[in-house]
Amino acid sequence: ETGVTQTPRHLVMGMTNKKSLKCEQHLGHNAMYWYKQSAKKPLELMFVYSLEERVENNSVPSRFSPECPNSSHLFLHLHTLQPEDSALYLCASSLAISGTNEQFFGPGTRLTVL
Amino acid sequence: AQKITQTQPGMFVQEKEAVTLDCTYDTSDPSYGLFWYKQPSSGEMIFLIYQGSYDQQNATEGRYSLNFQKARKSANLVISASQLGDSAMYFCAMVLYNQGGKLIFGQGTELSVKP
Repeated sequence: ETGVTQTPRHLVMGMTNKKSLKCEQHLGHNAMYWYKQSAKKPLELMFVYSLEERVENNSVPSRFSPECPNSSHLFLHLHTLQPEDSALYLCASSLAISGTNEQFFGPGTRLTVL
Repeated sequence: AQKITQTQPGMFVQEKEAVTLDCTYDTSDPSYGLFWYKQPSSGEMIFLIYQGSYDQQNATEGRYSLNFQKARKSANLVISASQLGDSAMYFCAMVLYNQGGKLIFGQGTELSVKP
């Protein structure tokens, strides 16, 4: 596989469930990102990891918990979500976190919280 | 505060014609980069083109070119010879070099190419 992959592509969960989103990049990049894309709103950066260390946490509620076990994998653990958390969750990676490096995005996970 | 504004929620263009998608940005930081991404209905964000604030020439990538007017703080995307496959959402984004990879996105423009 090449590029950035995300699983699952679609997820429906109840408010009491616990689930995890997975992102994997095959580009040899050192930085990975989670974004949330809600309807009618710009993409919002949630978390940034550089060399497996979290460097940005954009005031995200604690019901979202990221994990970066190595530079190729990024997880977003979800628990006790709210219906307003329904959105497209996009993962991205870049060679480094410096501004000139373009970010490559995965196809996203479309999450519906009932 | 840094901000990206895309004032065209939706645009139509005839196949084979050129189209310009508007983007203005707001920052007082002199070091920044501007990106355009395409998002088809499948959801994936596809990188199109990049312009650095210190670049002297407008960026071009195939049928895409970026009309960078620094004094006006605009970074419009020009797509030449539109194709049906160009129908998608287009997002303008900005990154500040000293803020480590944090992309700020506009609200997007939905482009529809008519046959």
